Amino acid sequence: DVKVTQSSRYLVKRTGEKVFLECVQDMDHENMFWYRQDPGLGLRLIYFSYDVKMKEKGDIPEGYSVSREKKERFSLILESASTNQTSMYLCASSLLLGGGLGPGNTIYFGEGSWLTVV
Amino acid sequence: SQQGEEDPQALSIQEGENATMNCSYKTSINNLQWYRQNSGRGLVHLILIRSNEREKHSGRLRVTLDTSKKSSSLLITASRAADTASYFCATDARGGADGLTFGKGTHLIIQP
Repeated sequence: DVKVTQSSRYLVKRTGEKVFLECVQDMDHENMFWYRQDPGLGLRLIYFSYDVKMKEKGDIPEGYSVSREKKERFSLILESASTNQTSMYLCASSLLLGGGLGPGNTIYFGEGSWLTVV
Repeated sequence: SQQGEEDPQALSIQEGENATMNCSYKTSINNLQWYRQNSGRGLVHLILIRSNEREKHSGRLRVTLDTSKKSSSLLITASRAADTASYFCATDARGGADGLTFGKGTHLIIQP
């Protein structure tokens, strides 16, 4: 089974702190994603990466950065945490598929990281 | 902006009944997927339907897709208490590798 592991399930950080959220997948997937999930807003894509050292902005990249130094690891970085970044963060991975065909862009999610910024 | 919008936002039914959730989207898609999320957990893929398919079955799940109306429905038959979860539709309108766009979800409660 595909496994996407997020290193921290629950974090509490102070405003202005630098926060690292780590994600590792074990299926040699090319694509990796970071979403945040907020009540009433659903999932929103922050950043994604389709290869090592490659990154693309999603819908809400402001206040975040990412790092993909190894294929299996995708890190989300909050340079200076703010209270409006309190949320559940979900990491995901998938195979790289062109045109959305084939077995499908099925995305495998980690269990989520609950971040509270106080 | 959100691509998929689920309807209803919340649904409560008795165990054994069928549950139907709907999803509408705005732009052309390659495929549409449904995911389930148990409280406080990650999302789990349920089923995928391609844009050239109209109906698909998987166990107690039945998904329909109407591309002319830009809508999909998820039917769960003979519901069980364990089906209690939030259900999301997701589309890959971006065209491939750059992620899915999720709706806000339908929260389904199955009353035992």
